[in-house]
Amino acid sequence: QLQLQESGPGLVKPSETLSLTCTVSGDSVSSDTYYWGWIRQPPGKGLEWIATIYYTGSTYYNPSLKSRVTISEDTSKNQFSLKLSSVTAADTAVYYCAGCHCPVTSCYTFDYWGQGTLVAVSS
Amino acid sequence: DIQMTQSPSTLSASVGDRVTITCRASQSISSWLAWYQQKPGKAPKLLIYKASSLDSGVPLRFSGSGSGTEFTLTISSLQPDDFATYYCQQYKSYSEGFTFGPGTKVDIK
Repeated sequence: QLQLQESGPGLVKPSETLSLTCTVSGDSVSSDTYYWGWIRQPPGKGLEWIATIYYTGSTYYNPSLKSRVTISEDTSKNQFSLKLSSVTAADTAVYYCAGCHCPVTSCYTFDYWGQGTLVAVSS
Repeated sequence: DIQMTQSPSTLSASVGDRVTITCRASQSISSWLAWYQQKPGKAPKLLIYKASSLDSGVPLRFSGSGSGTEFTLTISSLQPDDFATYYCQQYKSYSEGFTFGPGTKVDIK
């Protein structure tokens, strides 16, 4: 059973870079059957897709965040990561990592989710 | 970009009720629509993909329909475990980005 676990600082200062890591267990981030992504949810609000990466290195970004976001993967650690630069209070949210299982549902819908990690942006 | 709306924003219902939630896209997305259920403090759970395909393990009381710009999620007989917030998600293409609807909260009447 695929499992995902987010990790990273719970507090980031304004204008700095938010960095999160998702550790995958139960399969490989190098698998050709998954796309890996990040989604966030501000407190009390809805969901916002941030970015997705495929094992080939192809990356896809939310156009509204693209200038500040980088998604990458580390196959040696079976992890993928998110960096969001120049953060403001509006970036305060629960950040989820997720996987899309292509053969089962689609490469675009999130079948597997981490538990989420709250990141607050404050000085 | 593609905008998603959902109605109603909140729905009060009783156990056993038939519940319908509507999701609309600002342009045609064919059948590229998913539905998720989220409970407080938990990650969303995929219920339906490609507008009407039930994900594995999802109870048969859930169903989805629609294409183009209008979609519905129906719960045929609401159960206590179904009180949650439901989100639709369009996934027409990665290049255009994915967007979620604002959510519909189903609470106890």
